[in-house]
Amino acid sequence: EIVLTQSPGTLSLSPGERATLSCRASQSISSSYLAWYQRKPGQAPRLLIYGASIRATGTPDRISGSGSGTDFTLTISRLEPEDFAVYYCQQYGSSPPWTFGQGTKVEVK
Amino acid sequence: QVQLQESGPGLVKPSETLSLTCSVSGASVNNDNYYWSWIRQPPGKGLEWIAYISSSGSINYNPSLKSRVTTSVDTSKKQFSLNLKSVTAADTAVYYCARLRVGWYYFDYWGQGTLVTVSS
Repeated sequence: EIVLTQSPGTLSLSPGERATLSCRASQSISSSYLAWYQRKPGQAPRLLIYGASIRATGTPDRISGSGSGTDFTLTISRLEPEDFAVYYCQQYGSSPPWTFGQGTKVEVK
Repeated sequence: QVQLQESGPGLVKPSETLSLTCSVSGASVNNDNYYWSWIRQPPGKGLEWIAYISSSGSINYNPSLKSRVTTSVDTSKKQFSLNLKSVTAADTAVYYCARLRVGWYYFDYWGQGTLVTVSS
């Protein structure tokens, strides 16, 4: 099983600041199969990025994804109030086919 | 606008079967570009993929749950379902249904999730 480790667990930042979230895989994965999601309390998780760097429909330009191999990053260039949430990375690969990171909570400092 | 909505009992007794249904609106279930999936998150733990099913009947289960899980789809009702038998407290979780994009293998639409508690 490919394990995804997200860091940090919690990121305390102010609106307008830059957020950098890390997702590290226990073995190399295809960039095509790395996705990022945002989840807010009481809401359905929302797809932000797929293929490591492709924005999903509706994802604002301030949110971007990058990386390859075992190291992937989600960057929010300037935090808006609606960006404070929990973020998960997800990969598709070996058995079980889909695994998720534990999540990074971006909270207001 | 694609929407998914989970429904089912919020409380299940140990050793019984957990049954959930996901209703899909705003999209056709008969689309080979998508599979219909279940994912769960136990309290304080990570997200765990459970299963997927296609409208043509392709099914895949997480090996860790395979012996206890079944899933089905009713294209006429635009619904798909999950059954998890012989549940224990470890199956207490928020259960999500989601649409899986074939080829890229990401989940592009999710339900809000439903908490299922296993307790006597």
